[in-house]
Amino acid sequence: DTEVTQTPKHLVMGMTNKKSLKCEQHMGHRAMYWYKQKAKKPPELMFVYSYEKLSINESVPSRFSPECPNSSLLNLHLHALQPEDSALYLCASSQDRGRNSPLHFGNGTRLTVT
Amino acid sequence: AQSVAQPEDQVNVAEGNPLTVKCTYSVSGNPYLFWYVQYPNRGLQFLLKYITGDNLVKGSYGFEAEFNKSQTSFHLKKPSALVSDSALYFCAVRGLDSGNTPLVFGKGTRLSVIA
Repeated sequence: DTEVTQTPKHLVMGMTNKKSLKCEQHMGHRAMYWYKQKAKKPPELMFVYSYEKLSINESVPSRFSPECPNSSLLNLHLHALQPEDSALYLCASSQDRGRNSPLHFGNGTRLTVT
Repeated sequence: AQSVAQPEDQVNVAEGNPLTVKCTYSVSGNPYLFWYVQYPNRGLQFLLKYITGDNLVKGSYGFEAEFNKSQTSFHLKKPSALVSDSALYFCAVRGLDSGNTPLVFGKGTRLSVIA
């Protein structure tokens, strides 16, 4: 089992809904990440937090809003999504942003936008 | 810019046979190389990494990978495949020119181990 926990596992939402994805890790990692993965494709980086500060936003639309309340938690707030946003959303953490720190991934939230 | 190539979309191997999943990379400076595995409806699991030192790196579940600087390759290997090894495998790299990007992933290779 992964040490990065994501909830919910599955989420179906309409285009006018507001929902949030949650991620938690208790490994003492200081870098946390959101990735989006389409079927049979590699993960695409969305956001990076380092020491609870947003350090990378990969030109993600504003309908996705990340939040890092503390060093263990990472949220992704969703609003007015489009059907093409349906994907597996993966959270990851690493000890820090050093090059040799491997990322540890959660099992993801499968999001369907109707 | 850094990049990773996984030339095979699909690799099929019989159970008990050795397996190889290929990866080549392009980076500035010394590469930091990683292999991840993804089972259906799961996240990515870290298998192994090469930072420096021995060219043969051993990882989880009996997997190993060989770093070859002259061929800019980092192929994943296992001496005897199991049906449970069937999954999607991603090679990833981080080089000096990666800027802020944590990892660049290859497109993935689907491994099927047939009983």
